[in-house]
Amino acid sequence: SQTIHQWPATLVQPVGSPLSLECTVEGTSNPNLYWYRQAAGRGLQLLFYSVGIGQISSEVPQNLSASRPQDRQFILSSKKLLLSDSGFYLCAWSVRRNEKLFFGSGTQLSVL
Amino acid sequence: SQQGEEDPQALSIQEGENATMNCSYKTSINNLQWYRQNSGRGLVHLILIRSNEREKHSGRLRVTLDTSKKSSSLLITASRAADTASYFCATDHNAGNMLTFGGGTRLMVKP
Repeated sequence: SQTIHQWPATLVQPVGSPLSLECTVEGTSNPNLYWYRQAAGRGLQLLFYSVGIGQISSEVPQNLSASRPQDRQFILSSKKLLLSDSGFYLCAWSVRRNEKLFFGSGTQLSVL
Repeated sequence: SQQGEEDPQALSIQEGENATMNCSYKTSINNLQWYRQNSGRGLVHLILIRSNEREKHSGRLRVTLDTSKKSSSLLITASRAADTASYFCATDHNAGNMLTFGGGTRLMVKP
């Protein structure tokens, strides 16, 4: 069966520090991969989307970047975190684009 | 914005009652999906309904879609305390944009 792993669960980082969040999927090949951010009590904002290795689409201009070095690995990064980067980050995958997304357990990022 | 919007934003009911949540959107869709999120966790996919479908069931869940009104509803029958969560609709629009999520309905089921 397919599983998705996302870590860490919580992270507290100072302003200006780098960031690396990792997400891996098991049990499937060539998944569509997504990074979302969720503000407290709000809906999800799509940050990045990937259909394959090295293929990244950015949905909003921001302080973040994403990479897909392997088929089932998706990494969210920042060189210098801002206070506004705080939030709940969710990785997800799907077989078909925009259909039936499977989400990781999320990373609560606090930038202080 | 093409984003789906849920209504109400919050709903509190007693265990055993039915819960109805609504989602409205602005432009034509390929499909509409409902997800559940427990506090501090990832989202869980519940049901996907396509634009040519009017109703789908899954256990105690019933989803309807009215494309003429650009709206959908999620009905949870015989609710349980474990149904307490936030429920989100997500819309896949014909314009080829990415899946967009609404702000969610926070459901509380009191035992």
